[in-house]
Amino acid sequence: NAGVMQNPRHLVRRRGQEARLRCSPMKGHSHVYWYRQLPEEGLKFMVYLQKENIIDESGMPKERFSAEFPKEGPSILRIQQVVRGDSAAYFCASSRRTSGAQNAETQYFGPGTRLLVL
Amino acid sequence: AQTVTQSQPEMSVQEAETVTLSCTYDTSESNYYLFWYKQPPSRQMILVIRQEAYKQQNATENRFSVNFQKAAKSFSLKISDSQLGDTAMYFCASMGGGADGLTFGKGTHLIIQP
Repeated sequence: NAGVMQNPRHLVRRRGQEARLRCSPMKGHSHVYWYRQLPEEGLKFMVYLQKENIIDESGMPKERFSAEFPKEGPSILRIQQVVRGDSAAYFCASSRRTSGAQNAETQYFGPGTRLLVL
Repeated sequence: AQTVTQSQPEMSVQEAETVTLSCTYDTSESNYYLFWYKQPPSRQMILVIRQEAYKQQNATENRFSVNFQKAAKSFSLKISDSQLGDTAMYFCASMGGGADGLTFGKGTHLIIQP
């Protein structure tokens, strides 16, 4: 059973460019979460999505950041006009969260995308 | 809002010893879940163990077990017979019944010495 897939694993952008990070959830999972990890810190929740819906974006910066999870294809985290402070590891996680399913709330993580802004 | 506190930035033990990592949390939720994740040098986040708050029995997974003290809001991780491969950052995390994202502590860097 394939795990959570993220690509690219490493991304280098210059200030002002756009960064697009992709996440494919585990098979059977329809819930996707994005987290950001700054150097030497724990992960911070950004956004929670189901197919075609943003459920909770309380952790997303108000500007330049957006996320989607279309009916077909991976979830995308998009950062416009990147700045040096956006340099971080971005992790995607997925879960089933189907009512009654065992361990449905457990989130499984992808390998992360390391974004470096020059 | 939930908070998770890990008060040990770094710990170091000898191989084969037992080590306990501390975690306290605060939540107003009656239904919540607690997790320990491991992040080795590869930076991959790996689930170690999970605990449902409504269960009184402490979770165990092979050499890993937790001491869940609900009244004290404490959730420590015990690693028995530690191995070199256990060297990693360990993050404690909580998720409330109504919240969607995990709240993480700052982590404990565990070093297993040969």
